Amino acid sequence: NAGVTQTPKFQVLKTGQSMTLQCAQDMNHEYMSWYRQDPGMGLRLIHYSVGAGITDQGEVPNGYNVSRSTTEDFPLRLLSAAPSQTSVYFCASSYGAGTLEQYFGPGTRLTVT
Amino acid sequence: GNSVTQMEGPVTLSEEAFLTINCTYTATGYPSLFWYVQYPGEGLQLLLKATKADDKGSNKGFEATYRKETTSFHLEKGSVQVSDSAVYFCALSETDGGSQGNLIFGKGTKLSVKP
Repeated sequence: NAGVTQTPKFQVLKTGQSMTLQCAQDMNHEYMSWYRQDPGMGLRLIHYSVGAGITDQGEVPNGYNVSRSTTEDFPLRLLSAAPSQTSVYFCASSYGAGTLEQYFGPGTRLTVT
Repeated sequence: GNSVTQMEGPVTLSEEAFLTINCTYTATGYPSLFWYVQYPGEGLQLLLKATKADDKGSNKGFEATYRKETTSFHLEKGSVQVSDSAVYFCALSETDGGSQGNLIFGKGTKLSVKP
C-alpha cells in the first residue's frame, strides 16, 4: 500500500493564481480531510469528507474548495492564491472519524508571493 | 468550543532523561484523545490514543492517561533517546453535532534530545 500520497511536494504561486493540491489514498478509507500547518498554530482543519459525494467545511475553509468524486481522491483547490495561504498542507484519511487513527500524507509546502 | 492546550516548547533534554509534555483539553461530551508525532520533513503519525476516562495509551515507551477529573492527557517517557527528537501534538476528536469526530490539535511541542 502507498498509504496517503500528496502532490506536489513543493509549490510556489503568485498572488491570484489558482492551483489544485492532489491527495489520494489506497486504503479504502471513507473519511478524508485537509489541514494546514502554520508555525505556532498547530494543524487546523480546512475541509473534510465522510464519503464520496459528501464534503463539509472545517475551521478555516475560506479560499479553498474541495470535491470528492471517488473514495480514493480528495483534491484541494485554491481559487485565487493569497500570501496568507502560504503554509504546509496535509491530507489525512481514516476508516471513519472519531476514535480511529488518521493516516497523514507527507505534506505540500506552498509559498504564495 | 472544544480546544486543546499543550505546553510551549521547545523542550531540550539529554539522552535518558525523563520526559513530560503537558496537555489539557476543553470539551463537551466524551472525546477520544490522541498524541501524534511529526519527525522532521514528514507527516504526522499516531503515537498513542485513549478513548475513555482512565484509559492509558502506550507505544514505543511513551504513555499517557486520560484523566477526566483534571481534563488532562500528559505524555510521558521514562528515558528519551536522540531518535525521539520530533514535534509532538496532542489532539482530541470533536464531540459536537455535525463536526463530530474531526480532530482538534494543540499547537505542538518540539522536543530535541541531545546525546
